[in-house]
Amino acid sequence: EIVLTQSPDFQSVTPKEKVTITCRASQSIGSSLHWYQQKPDQSPKLLIKYASQSISGVPSRFSGSGSGTDFTLTINSLEAEDAATYYCHQTSSSLGYSFGQGTKLEIK
Amino acid sequence: EGQLVESGGGLVQPGGSLRLSCAASGFTVSSNYMIWVRQAPGKGLEWVSVIYSGGSTYYADSVKGRFTISRDSSKNTLYLQMNSLRAEDTAMYYCARGVEYWGQGTLVTVSS
Repeated sequence: EIVLTQSPDFQSVTPKEKVTITCRASQSIGSSLHWYQQKPDQSPKLLIKYASQSISGVPSRFSGSGSGTDFTLTINSLEAEDAATYYCHQTSSSLGYSFGQGTKLEIK
Repeated sequence: EGQLVESGGGLVQPGGSLRLSCAASGFTVSSNYMIWVRQAPGKGLEWVSVIYSGGSTYYADSVKGRFTISRDSSKNTLYLQMNSLRAEDTAMYYCARGVEYWGQGTLVTVSS
């Protein structure tokens, strides 16, 4: 089983700040890493797929990078609407996918 | 793009069974890999199962031997048969097409 560990678990930030969330895999997963945003009582929304591929309709302030075991989600110029929990998700191992534990972002 | 609509959730006693459905429109279920993901109240996302276009299926250790993922091409619907349910299976269950498209979820509560 591939374990994904996100950091931090929680972050309180001010609008217009730059935010970086990291996701570390317990073994190499190539670029099979995806990022989601989830707001209360909503389904997860895909932000970035395959580590760095942008998604149509997602604001350009969201970007992803990394490969192998270390990945980063960056939010440039944070907006109030970005308050949410963010998850990474790996689809490298067909025997079992997994999610990170989540990073809750609070806007001050 | 398509749409996914889950149904079949509800209250069930420990040891009971439930079958979740995920009706798809706008795309063909059998031509895509489909997954089930669950989220216990106040907790994070947990991958449950996957079925590939070729028919191969895989499960999380926590549900292996109790849950079965399947699909019906004639109804373009994905299923999750859940047996021997436990309190810890209580969660919102989501189906998804690949990584991009998710349903709104159906709530399963296991309690006496």
